Amino acid sequence: SQQGEEDPQALSIQEGENATMNCSYKTSINNLQWYRQNSGRGLVHLILIRSNEREKHSGRLRVTLDTSKKSSSLLITASRAADTASYFCAPSYGNKLVFGAGTILRVKS
Amino acid sequence: DTEVTQTPKHLVMGMTNKKSLKCEQHMGHRAMYWYKQKAKKPPELMFVYSYEKLSINESVPSRFSPECPNSSLLNLHLHALQPEDSALYLCASSQDAGREGYTFGSGTRLTVV
Repeated sequence: SQQGEEDPQALSIQEGENATMNCSYKTSINNLQWYRQNSGRGLVHLILIRSNEREKHSGRLRVTLDTSKKSSSLLITASRAADTASYFCAPSYGNKLVFGAGTILRVKS
Repeated sequence: DTEVTQTPKHLVMGMTNKKSLKCEQHMGHRAMYWYKQKAKKPPELMFVYSYEKLSINESVPSRFSPECPNSSLLNLHLHALQPEDSALYLCASSQDAGREGYTFGSGTRLTVV
C-alpha cells in the first residue's frame, strides 16, 4: 500500500503547548502534503514539502522531510483550541495523493 | 474564486435510484479528483481527471461513473448503490495532478437505504 502511516493516532495537549505528528511512507514521492479536517467535512491544505526540501515553515507550522528514512513530521507551535481537528499526511506519487490514517489532535483550553 | 463547490450537501437514495453528485471550480485548475471517506477513516482516492481526461480509476465499481464535461465541472453518477457505499464523497482540484496542494470541497454526505 502507498498509504502513509501516522503516529500518534490521537494527541491531547493544553493550549499553548506544541504538537508533533509523524508520518512514514513506503516508496519514492514527488512531495508530501499535510491537511487538516474539521468535523468530517472538507480538508484544508496546510503545507507542501517537495522531495528535495528538508524543512519548511508556514506561520505556526513547521514540516520536516527525511527522504532517507521516508518520514515527515508536522510541528504546530503554541497550539490553540481552534487547532483541534484531524491531521492527515498525504504522500504524492506521480499524480496520486494518498492519505495516511490521520492524527486526531485535541487542544484543551 | 478560490472554492470548490459540491452539490448536494446531503443525499439519501435507494438502492435502485440513479443520482449524480456535482463539483465545480473556477480557479483554472486542470486536475480534479473524487475521494470517498468513511467515518473515522482517511479519504480514499477514486478517480483522477487531468486536462478533462480520466487518468486514474482506482478499481472503483462500475456503479460509480465519473464524468468531466469541461475543465470546471466534475460529476459522479451513481446507480444501483449498496448501503456500504454510504460515505462522505469529496471533490478536489489542483493546478497540476499531484504536484501542488489540493483545494477540497466540503463534500456530499451520501446515505444509501
